[in-house]
Amino acid sequence: EAQVTQNPRYLITVTGKKLTVTCSQNMNHEYMSWYRQDPGLGLRQIYYSMNVEVTDKGDVPEGYKVSRKEKRNFPLILESPSPNQTSLYFCASTLTRMHNEQFFGPGTRLTVL
Amino acid sequence: AQSVTQLDSHVSVSEGTPVLLRCNYSSSYSPSLFWYVQHPNKGLQLLLKYTSAATLVKGINGFEAEFKKSETSFHLTKPSAHMSDAAEYFCVVSYRVVSSNTGKLIFGQGTTLQVKP
Repeated sequence: EAQVTQNPRYLITVTGKKLTVTCSQNMNHEYMSWYRQDPGLGLRQIYYSMNVEVTDKGDVPEGYKVSRKEKRNFPLILESPSPNQTSLYFCASTLTRMHNEQFFGPGTRLTVL
Repeated sequence: AQSVTQLDSHVSVSEGTPVLLRCNYSSSYSPSLFWYVQHPNKGLQLLLKYTSAATLVKGINGFEAEFKKSETSFHLTKPSAHMSDAAEYFCVVSYRVVSSNTGKLIFGQGTTLQVKP
């Protein structure tokens, strides 16, 4: 089954404790993104990757890192989480950077205390 | 500049009655437009998309949307609401970022659809 998976689905952590949210897709997509969803703001792009070893900032990149060592995986790293990063996070992928339709993962609900 | 505005943050309808979720967009180019649906504790699922073909677009689960360039609107409709339609709906505009030659999505704020029995 074609899908985007994320882990963990739920995470409660404390300020300053490094964490990684994994994202994996099995569709051989080149382009992957991370979004955060906050009430009344819709989804905002954090980082994106056009292919292996090619990443760039989205609209709200502060406090986040990403890497793309393999085509299928695109982890999101919070080196020192803060309470304002409490949010619902979505990973998405699309076939190439020229395509518009994105496939979304199920989401990761993160709470930073 | 590209933007998208969903005119209602919350819409409540009775089961069996029509649904109208309103979306206006602003785009310097011919846009691609999408509607996504998000059920509770789920990811976003594509309902339908407009990419400069027919202006009336049919999607899954009986939803459709009409692209009206003169009104810069892309409203989502369904003739008869079902309880399972209760969810959050996002209108999305896509455009090309020239400098990086990538597609970029701009999401509306979302509309929560409540369906009453």
